[in-house]
This record gives sequence, structure tokens and C-alpha cells, in this order.
Amino acid sequence: KAGVTQTPRYLIKTRGQQVTLSCSPISGHRSVSWYQQTPGQGLQFLFEYFSETQRNKGNFPGRFSGRQFSNSRSEMNVSTLELGDSALYLCASSLVQGSYEQYFGPGTRLTVT
Amino acid sequence: AQTVTQSQPEMSVQEAETVTLSCTYDTSENNYYLFWYKQPPSRQMILVIRQEAYKQQNATENRFSVNFQKAAKSFSLKISDSQLGDTAMYFCAFMKSGAGSYQLTFGKGTKLSVIP
Repeated sequence: KAGVTQTPRYLIKTRGQQVTLSCSPISGHRSVSWYQQTPGQGLQFLFEYFSETQRNKGNFPGRFSGRQFSNSRSEMNVSTLELGDSALYLCASSLVQGSYEQYFGPGTRLTVT
Repeated sequence: AQTVTQSQPEMSVQEAETVTLSCTYDTSENNYYLFWYKQPPSRQMILVIRQEAYKQQNATENRFSVNFQKAAKSFSLKISDSQLGDTAMYFCAFMKSGAGSYQLTFGKGTKLSVIP
């Protein structure tokens, strides 16, 4: 079974632009969570989607948003990029039914210049 | 809110030796899960081991085992017979049970180097 995939793997954007990252969960997994990883703040929870609904959201500004499609694939969007948004963005999927384990993708490295 | 603390930013161990990584957490929840994740230099986060708080028996996965002390809110990871491939960042993580949402709270990580 294929693992969690994320596209693109690397991205360079300019301040003020917006960006969309994509995540395809493991087949059959219905929950998708997003995390931001930076050297200073470590790993921080952004939001989680299940059945196309956001179930939980971390402490991030409204510039960070996401959505989930009927096939469980998820996208996250960051608008009006700031230098501080430079980070590794990780996506994780969970089966949900009787399982609480999260499996991570390789991440998208976003650099904002 | 939950917090997870890993007090050892860096550790090293000789190949084939045993090493223990520390993790403490703070929560008012009674039901939860604890995890250790490994992130090698290639960046893919890998689940190493998990522990349900309601289980008293410590989890074991091959060379990896945990020492779970619920009263002390401690969750350490022991790696036996360390191998070069164990070189990675190790993150301790907490998840509430039955919250209707899957959200991991991570510690800052411990960078483990296995020395040949």
C-alpha cells in the first residue's frame, strides 16, 4: 500500500504570495492532519480534516486554511506569505476506525523570500 | 492544554550499545496515547512505538521498548543494540483519547547519533 504523498516537495515563494500544498493519504485513511515544523517552534499542529470537515484547528492565523475532498485528499493554503512561514509542512493520515496512529508524508519544504 | 518535554536535545551512543531517551508530559486527561516518532535526516517521520495510557504493560517493538510511568507522567524510549540507521531526531508525542479529533502534541525532540 502506498504511503502518504505530498506535493510539491520543495517550493520557493515571495512574501505576499499565496501557496497551496497537497496531501494524498494512505488508501482507506479518512483523517488528514497538517503540521508545521520549524527549528524554533518545533512541530505544531495546524488542523485536522475528517469527512471533508475541519474537526480541529491549531493556534495559527486565518491566513492558514485547508480543505478535504471526498476522496480524502487534502490541501492547505497559506495566503499573504510571510518570511516566518518558511518551514517544513507535514501531512499525516489516520485510518480512524479503531486506529489512532498517524502516518506521515515526506513533507513540503516551503521557503519564503 | 498538554505539554511534552524532552530534556535531552542531543545524545550519542556507540553502535550495539543501549540508549534511553527521556520524555515527560503534563496533562489533566486520564485517557490518552503516547508515541515515539523517528525522523531520519531524509525527513520522513516514522512511527516507532505507541502506548495506550490505560495499559500498564510497557510496549515493545523489536529493539525498541518504553518505560511508561503514568503517575510520574514519564514515557522513556529504550533502544537496544543500537544501529547506525537509528541515527535520527526522536520525537515524543501525546494524543488525547476520544476527543473526536486526531491531534498530536510533540516535544522538541532529541537528536540521537549512533557512533560506529
